[in-house]
Amino acid sequence: GAVVSQHPSWVICKSGTSVKIECRSLDFQATTMFWYRQFPKQSLMLMATSNEGSKATYEQGVEKDKFLINHASLTLSTLTVTSAHPEDSSFYICSARDVSGEAGYNEQFFGPGTRLTVL
Amino acid sequence: AQSVAQPEDQVNVAEGNPLTVKCTYSVSGNPYLFWYVQYPNRGLQFLLKYITGDNLVKGSYGFEAEFNKSQTSFHLKKPSALVSDSALYFCAVRPLPGNTGKLIFGQGTTLQVKP
Repeated sequence: GAVVSQHPSWVICKSGTSVKIECRSLDFQATTMFWYRQFPKQSLMLMATSNEGSKATYEQGVEKDKFLINHASLTLSTLTVTSAHPEDSSFYICSARDVSGEAGYNEQFFGPGTRLTVL
Repeated sequence: AQSVAQPEDQVNVAEGNPLTVKCTYSVSGNPYLFWYVQYPNRGLQFLLKYITGDNLVKGSYGFEAEFNKSQTSFHLKKPSALVSDSALYFCAVRPLPGNTGKLIFGQGTTLQVKP
C-alpha cells in the first residue's frame, strides 16, 4: 500500500531557530500534499495545500512567512517553521494525494506525524 | 459553513459489545466521506470511505459505516469491539469531488474499549 513518511518523527529546538520537516511519498507520486497541525486531543487543522512546482495555498490565519512550504518534486514536500516559538509546539502531520487513483477520486495518505517542541 | 460534527468526545464500550461512533456533516453537493483512526503519537490510518453506491461500507479491522443521505450521517460501527480498538477516531468529508482534495475533519471521538 501507499506509504507516506515524515522526518524527523520528533524534534526539540530552541526558540528563535528554524526547523524543517520533510514529507515523502515513498511508492507513489503526489502532485498535492497537505500539511496539518494537531493540538493534544484535538482535530487536525489544515494549514496549507502544497502543489508540486507551484506556491502553496495557505488556509486563513496561517502565516505563510512563518510556515514555509516547498514542494520541489512529486515525492517530497517540506515544511519549515521559521523563528520557532513555544506556541508553535505541536504535532504536524502531512498527507499526500495519489495522482494515479481512480477517475474523480485520488486517495489521500497520511504520514506518521512530527512532534515539534520549542523550548 | 461546511462542517463535520462528532457529537461524542468519548465512547465507552465493553469488549465484545457492538460499538457506534457518530458523525454528521453539513456540506454542499455529494461529498465523499471517510473514517480514520489515530493511535497515540501516530498519524492517521484510513479505515473506510464512501464515494457512491451501497450505503453500507465495509472497511479495515471489521469496521463498517452507514451513509444516510437524509440524515446527513455516516456513523462508524463494529459488531464486536476489541480492546485494541481503543483509539481516537476521526470522521472526514471531502465536499466536492474533483476539488483540491481538502478534507474537513470532525473533532474526533475517543473510543475506550474495556476488557
